[in-house]
Amino acid sequence: QVHLQQSGPGLVKPSQTLSLTCAISGDSVSSNNAAWNWIRQSPSRGLEWLGRTYYRSKWYTDSALSVKSRITVNADTSKNQFSLQLSSVTPEDTAVYFCARGGRGTTVSLFNSWGQGTLVTVSS
Amino acid sequence: EIVLTQSPGTLSLSPGERATLSCRASQNINLAWYQQKPGQAPRLLIYGASNRATGIPDRFSGSGSGTDFTLTISRLEPEDFAVYYCQHYGDTPPWTFGQGTKVESK
Repeated sequence: QVHLQQSGPGLVKPSQTLSLTCAISGDSVSSNNAAWNWIRQSPSRGLEWLGRTYYRSKWYTDSALSVKSRITVNADTSKNQFSLQLSSVTPEDTAVYFCARGGRGTTVSLFNSWGQGTLVTVSS
Repeated sequence: EIVLTQSPGTLSLSPGERATLSCRASQNINLAWYQQKPGQAPRLLIYGASNRATGIPDRFSGSGSGTDFTLTISRLEPEDFAVYYCQHYGDTPPWTFGQGTKVESK
């Protein structure tokens, strides 16, 4: 069974960078059968897929157009975890952030394991 | 971007009653359903419109294809009162979620 454990600060100042980490147990970040995603949830935007990283003989990343210029999703194979960095944050980035595991092929975006969620507030 | 519209926004029912939730897509899609309880992450219930995920009780069923989908809970248990989201999935991002239907106890 896959378990995802999130960590990172709950308060970020405007214009700074939001950084979260998702530690994986029960699977490998380098698995050819998984993809590692970040999703956020806010009252104004609902559930919003942000980006992902996955390994298929080499590393790939994708991101939503709404955050494309500001987002970085990276894998750390030595720690079996992946991370989210979102730069130049504004109060509109205040949300609960989740990491989530997807599968492969058409199931790549079926999110069958989730982290516990981190409320990130953007405020000075 | 695919838009998913869920209805109704809120469903007020009693335990033992049947719940019927709707999700309409702006184009033909693959559809999944998730359940979310307060303070928790969403949980995958249904994929491929009608396939239950591992461990999901058979009182949950999904139907539909193309752009119109339904999630049915045959007899509501106390633990089923939650918010339900539909999600478009596939191999090409972005993937979107509906705005949710809250099933509340009457």
